[in-house]
Amino acid sequence: KAGVTQTPRYLIKTRGQQVTLSCSPISGHRSVSWYQQTPGQGLQFLFEYFSETQRNKGNFPGRFSGRQFSNSRSEMNVSTLELGDSALYLCASSAGLAGYNEQFFGPGTRLTVL
Amino acid sequence: KQEVTQIPAALSVPEGENLVLNCSFTDSAIYNLQWFRQDPGKGLTSLLLIQSSQREQTSGRLNASLDKSSGRSTLYIAASQPGDSATYLCAAPLETSGSRLTFGEGTQLTVNP
Repeated sequence: KAGVTQTPRYLIKTRGQQVTLSCSPISGHRSVSWYQQTPGQGLQFLFEYFSETQRNKGNFPGRFSGRQFSNSRSEMNVSTLELGDSALYLCASSAGLAGYNEQFFGPGTRLTVL
Repeated sequence: KQEVTQIPAALSVPEGENLVLNCSFTDSAIYNLQWFRQDPGKGLTSLLLIQSSQREQTSGRLNASLDKSSGRSTLYIAASQPGDSATYLCAAPLETSGSRLTFGEGTQLTVNP
């Protein structure tokens, strides 16, 4: 069974631009969660989608948004990029709701904002 | 504030040593606790998931225990190898955070040949 995949793996953007990251969960998994990882803040929860509905949202500004499609694939969008958005963005999938089921992570997308 | 903490932040041991990594949490009603491994610049690899009804889980040289009453989990690594060098993170869905995982800051392990 294929693992969680994320595209692109690396991304370089400039301040003010927007970016879209993609995550394909393990086949059959209905929950996708997104996390931001930085050296200073560690792993911070962004949001969770389950069956196309946002179930939970972390403490991030509205510039961060996401969605989930009927095939459970998820996208995350960041608008008006800031230097502080440079981070490793990780997505995780689980068969059921995150937190109640084992989560499996993708390799991450490394975003650099210049 | 509900949180997850890990001690020590870093650990360096010689190859072959048995070691214990600690994870503390403030929510005694956690549903489960998961241990992950992260290599530099990479994603997280799930190591063990312990359900609240379980006391421990084992996978190869790894053994994780869970004591909800004391708010502690430990990850025991037997006969450590240089390939075990990585950052180890524990995470749990805490009561006030809904279903999302709250992560500890991790323990950076170095196993020296």
